Amino acid sequence: EAQVTQNPRYLITVTGKKLTVTCSQNMNHEYMSWYRQDPGLGLRQIYYSMNVEVTDKGDVPEGYKVSRKEKRNFPLILESPSPNQTSLYFCASSWNRETGRPTEAFFGQGTRLTVV
Amino acid sequence: QKEVEQDPGPLSVPEGAIVSLNCTYSNSAFQYFMWYRQYSRKGPELLMYTYSSGNKEDGRFTAQVDKSSKYISLFIRDSQPSDSATYLCAPGDRDDKIIFGKGTRLHILP
Repeated sequence: EAQVTQNPRYLITVTGKKLTVTCSQNMNHEYMSWYRQDPGLGLRQIYYSMNVEVTDKGDVPEGYKVSRKEKRNFPLILESPSPNQTSLYFCASSWNRETGRPTEAFFGQGTRLTVV
Repeated sequence: QKEVEQDPGPLSVPEGAIVSLNCTYSNSAFQYFMWYRQYSRKGPELLMYTYSSGNKEDGRFTAQVDKSSKYISLFIRDSQPSDSATYLCAPGDRDDKIIFGKGTRLHILP
């Protein structure tokens, strides 16, 4: 089954304690991205990756890091989480435009992060 | 002006009614247009996409794009309680940058 898997689904942590949210896809997609979703603000892109070892900032990258060492994995790293990073996070993957298909994004189930 | 504007709702309609959900956008570079549906506590899922102006129908759902006025619509016929969700319009440009609207919450009342 084609899917994007995020872990953990729920996480409560304290300010300043480094954490990693993992994301893995089994569709051989080249393009992966991270979003955060907040009430009234919708989905905002944090970082994206066009391919292995290629990452770039989205609209709200401050306080986040990513890496893309393998095609299937795209972890999101919060080096020093703060309460304003409390949010619902989604990982998404999609085809590269060279396939000629529209870039349908497949989303993970989400990670609800609370930073206290 | 925001790139994609969408009324957040909530929109409540009785079961069986026709639902109209709308978005406006400002960027002429958008080349394809998608609608995602998001159920509570789930990730968004692609519902429909279209490249061109005009209508595209899929079962009870019709996506309509008017590029000249930069207006996107999603119509749901014979609405069902299971259609209750948040609907996000999502235009994309040639570089595969997708911009999501904030979503419209829809409630179908049994």
